[in-house]
Amino acid sequence: DQQVKQNSPSLSVQEGRISILNCDYTNSMFDYFLWYKKYPAEGPTFLISISSIKDKNEDGRFTVFLNKSAKHLSLHIVPSQPGDSAVYFCAASTDTGNQFYFGTGTSLTVIP
Amino acid sequence: DTAVSQTPKYLVTQMGNDKSIKCEQNLGHDTMYWYKQDSKKFLKIMFSYNNKELIINETVPNRFSPKSPDKAHLNLHINSLELGDSAVYFCASSQEHRGGHYGYTFGSGTRLTVV
Repeated sequence: DQQVKQNSPSLSVQEGRISILNCDYTNSMFDYFLWYKKYPAEGPTFLISISSIKDKNEDGRFTVFLNKSAKHLSLHIVPSQPGDSAVYFCAASTDTGNQFYFGTGTSLTVIP
Repeated sequence: DTAVSQTPKYLVTQMGNDKSIKCEQNLGHDTMYWYKQDSKKFLKIMFSYNNKELIINETVPNRFSPKSPDKAHLNLHINSLELGDSAVYFCASSQEHRGGHYGYTFGSGTRLTVV
């Protein structure tokens, strides 16, 4: 049973435009969320996080938005750069849990 | 200086063989994990160790056995390999519960192909 879903397997965006990656979850007990970025033949690397007490967290070009009522989070990248081309995973955890549940990833291609 | 290193990077082996994947972290983290990424790109936890103690053991075949000789190492041994075991296996570590602010640090993965 997949508790974290990324329904768009791929996304293409022009360089300089905004990239929006979406993630939905089913467990209302999730209260901490992470985004990871993964290049081919490498492990995922941490990108940005958000806890349920916030609805937005920003780090440079990356902003994560959390809509708890909709059980939805999104990652905005603006402006998008070719180096952002990678697979992006969202992950979620509960306060008492000791693991993260991952989505299946969205492959972002930023076209120069 | 690699933070989480796993070896080998690629492993091709025949059905029925026994193989091991090694993982080492030099971050001083207390918790280590094994994740499996299957053909559908789904990253799913297999095991988690905290200070050499098993804390997560998801429903995986008992052909898979983790071994943690110390908190810096978590190896994965697989007996009687099957075609369905083909996947990318990621080792990860974290300092605290849920990885704290920075989540997990992942290794670069081991691509296992069973033929």
